[in-house]
Amino acid sequence: DAKTTQPPSMDCAEGRAANLPCNHSTISGNEYVYWYRQIHSQGPQYIIHGLKNNETNEMASLIITEDRKSSTLILPHATLRDTAVYYCIVRSHSGGGADGLTFGKGTHLIIQP
Amino acid sequence: GAVVSQHPSRVICKSGTSVKIECRSLDFQATTMFWYRQFPKQSLMLMATSNEGSKATYEQGVEKDKFLINHASLTLSTLTVTSAHPEDSSFYICSASPLISGNTIYFGEGSWLTVV
Repeated sequence: DAKTTQPPSMDCAEGRAANLPCNHSTISGNEYVYWYRQIHSQGPQYIIHGLKNNETNEMASLIITEDRKSSTLILPHATLRDTAVYYCIVRSHSGGGADGLTFGKGTHLIIQP
Repeated sequence: GAVVSQHPSRVICKSGTSVKIECRSLDFQATTMFWYRQFPKQSLMLMATSNEGSKATYEQGVEKDKFLINHASLTLSTLTVTSAHPEDSSFYICSASPLISGNTIYFGEGSWLTVV
């Protein structure tokens, strides 16, 4: 699976949009971009994933550049409970779900009151 | 999303004893489950891939005789840490992907193991 690069930490004011960038310049055509987050002392929580089109769900939006070499996770109205480590992971679906996820160091997002 | 549950959430055991951690997919079936370990302030490290009805596949450097994995059904996988030592103290997390509805992987709440 392709490697990702994320800033180690970011701050965001409560109520503002949090924009978390991720670089995945070596992504291949069949690899999806997944985002998870991990709140302290809990298991990772699935947020969203996409292949090349922008995606939106009740938690967040995912914007993938046209060349697919980078993406941005957007939390539209950040709350204190969004403070967590956010992981951007690229993963192929060709293994039929048989391949585990490889975690990098992620971005520690801190929401400031 | 799909629910994965782990038990116990916290366990303390004495050095030299064994401890079992269960991972259940509550509302879906999973042919494959994954076990991770996470030390404080570090990222998750994949330990092994658990396959229903067959032997687990271990990542390089993970001792298969120490970390016994059993995946007896499509909804249950267990990790047994044998002859535990203080350095095995860690946060253990399992994950699973539903057979149907694609490849999204869901994680359990994690289990804190402290070996004293």
